[in-house]
Amino acid sequence: KAGVTQTPRYLIKTRGQQVTLSCSPISGHRSVSWYQQTPGQGLQFLFEYFSETQRNKGNFPGRFSGRQFSNSRSEMNVSTLELGDSALYLCASILAPGQGNPLHFGNGTRLTVT
Amino acid sequence: ELKVEQNPLFLSMQEGKNYTIYCNYSTTSDRLYWYRQDPGKSLESLFVLLSNGAVKQEGRLMASLDTKARLSTLHITAAVHDLSATYFCAVDGNTGNQFYFGTGTSLTVIP
Repeated sequence: KAGVTQTPRYLIKTRGQQVTLSCSPISGHRSVSWYQQTPGQGLQFLFEYFSETQRNKGNFPGRFSGRQFSNSRSEMNVSTLELGDSALYLCASILAPGQGNPLHFGNGTRLTVT
Repeated sequence: ELKVEQNPLFLSMQEGKNYTIYCNYSTTSDRLYWYRQDPGKSLESLFVLLSNGAVKQEGRLMASLDTKARLSTLHITAAVHDLSATYFCAVDGNTGNQFYFGTGTSLTVIP
């Protein structure tokens, strides 16, 4: 079974630009969540989608948004990039949330904002 | 607010030694997960602990859960260099659709 696939692996953007990251979950997983990882803040939850609906959102500004498609693939978008948005963005999928199933993570997208 | 606290943050140990990483959490969901992350890589699931007294072992790693104390431990036995990585514990809250991660323990095993 293929794992969680994230594209692109690396991105370099300039302040003020916007970026879209993509995630394909494990086949059969309908829940997709996004996390931001930085050395200072650790792993922080961005949002979770299930069956195309955002069910939960972390404490991030409105510049961070996402969506999920009918095939469970997900995208997240960051507009008006700031230097502090430089981070590793991890996508994870899960078979059935709340039932003791672990998150399965993709390899991440390393975003650098200059 | 749900909190997950791990200690130590950094751990340098010699090969062959034993050590324990501690994870305290504040939620009542009692579903506890351990992950490993190698430098520049993603997170890999190691253990899932779902009940009080649960113990899971894989090679030189053993994880346990005490739900009364809201404490999980990851015990390393006779460490080898290949275990060098960052280890995270996490809980998934009451709804299960958001995971809360500890700060991570960066483990370096010295030959």
